[in-house]
Amino acid sequence: NAGVTQTPKFQVLKTGQSMTLQCAQDMNHEYMSWYRQDPGMGLRLIHYSVGAGITDQGEVPNGYNVSRSTTEDFPLRLLSAAPSQTSVYFCASSYTTGVGGYTFGSGTRLTVV
Amino acid sequence: DQQVKQNSPSLSVQEGRISILNCDYTNSMFDYFLWYKKYPAEGPTFLISISSIKDKNEDGRFTVFLNKSAKHLSLHIVPSQPGDSAVYFCAASPYNNNDMRFGAGTRLTVKP
Repeated sequence: NAGVTQTPKFQVLKTGQSMTLQCAQDMNHEYMSWYRQDPGMGLRLIHYSVGAGITDQGEVPNGYNVSRSTTEDFPLRLLSAAPSQTSVYFCASSYTTGVGGYTFGSGTRLTVV
Repeated sequence: DQQVKQNSPSLSVQEGRISILNCDYTNSMFDYFLWYKKYPAEGPTFLISISSIKDKNEDGRFTVFLNKSAKHLSLHIVPSQPGDSAVYFCAASPYNNNDMRFGAGTRLTVKP
């Protein structure tokens, strides 16, 4: 049981480039989310999904797109990378909202130069 | 605006003593409150949670207390162990909603 798998683990982009961060879970979880972690700011919600075909914006959605065509996959697209998007990105999934808690991936460390 | 706040960036305690981590929130629509633990280079791990209909929840050495009138929750770890050294995040979400917000985290160091 792999849990939540994020690829790549590390990435360096040039300003203006685009890329997709991959996230896959094998637990048949309906709920999935993307967070970014920056020093002193904790984890901030970028986008989330409550099921295949349904996505919504979180706290810091600008510059990112998501789609959820299957239950398993929830990719995060950076449209035109900026240095302000240098961060550690975490994908998470859960079978429910509320007190059940999320399972997080191990993160993608992205640097935009 | 930061709806979940952890005002102490760090906490240091002696092994065997109690660790108390605090968290405040501003959004009265939050119904669920969670604590996560994070080691370096890993994703956060779910630790314990509480719903707004309760004021206390225990799981082994970990207890979470919720004071709704003060919009405050705390995590107690008794006794603290060196392996508890990590960053602890407080999180909250509204009822039946995936929009979970996190605090900035508190780095706990437990000294042998």
